[in-house]
Amino acid sequence: EAGVVQSPRYKIIEKKQPVAFWCNPISGHNTLYWYLQNLGQGPELLIRYENEEAVDDSQLPKDRFSAERLKGVDSTLKIQPAELGDSAVYLCASSLGQGSTDTQYFGPGTRLTVL
Amino acid sequence: KQEVTQIPAALSVPEGENLVLNCSFTDSAIYNLQWFRQDPGKGLTSLLLIQSSQREQTSGRLNASLDKSSGRSTLYIAASQPGDSATYLCAVTQGGSEKLVFGKGTKLTVNP
Repeated sequence: EAGVVQSPRYKIIEKKQPVAFWCNPISGHNTLYWYLQNLGQGPELLIRYENEEAVDDSQLPKDRFSAERLKGVDSTLKIQPAELGDSAVYLCASSLGQGSTDTQYFGPGTRLTVL
Repeated sequence: KQEVTQIPAALSVPEGENLVLNCSFTDSAIYNLQWFRQDPGKGLTSLLLIQSSQREQTSGRLNASLDKSSGRSTLYIAASQPGDSATYLCAVTQGGSEKLVFGKGTKLTVNP
């Protein structure tokens, strides 16, 4: 079974440019997460989807970040415009959404460098 | 606000040694606690999940314990191998939500 797929794996852009990351979750997983991981830190949740609905986006900086999950499958996270402080790894994860026994499966991440 | 702390931040041991990684959390109202492994440049892999009603879980050479009342968990690795070298992250799921709160991780190096 294929795992969570993310692309691109690496992205280098100049500040003020837009950037987008794509995630394809494990088939049948209704819940999808986007995390931000800074160097030497644990991941921090940006947004969580249940099917097509964003049920927790309280940590998403909405002035420059946006996300969508069309048809409840693939998801795209966008930053516009990017700032130097956005340099980090952006992780996507998915799960079945089974409450206390739920396990999240992570993709390899997209490493963003903003120059 | 839930805070998860992992000690030590880094650990280096010779091959074959048994070792313990520690995790503490400030809010005991959790659904579960998970231990993840992260290799350089890669995503996270779930190792063990302990539900709030459980005391421990075992998988192969790994054993994780949970003491919810004191806000502590340990990950025990028996007979460590160089392939165990990675960063180990502890995370708790807040009660009433699916939100995972992570610690900063412990970077483990097992020397041949």
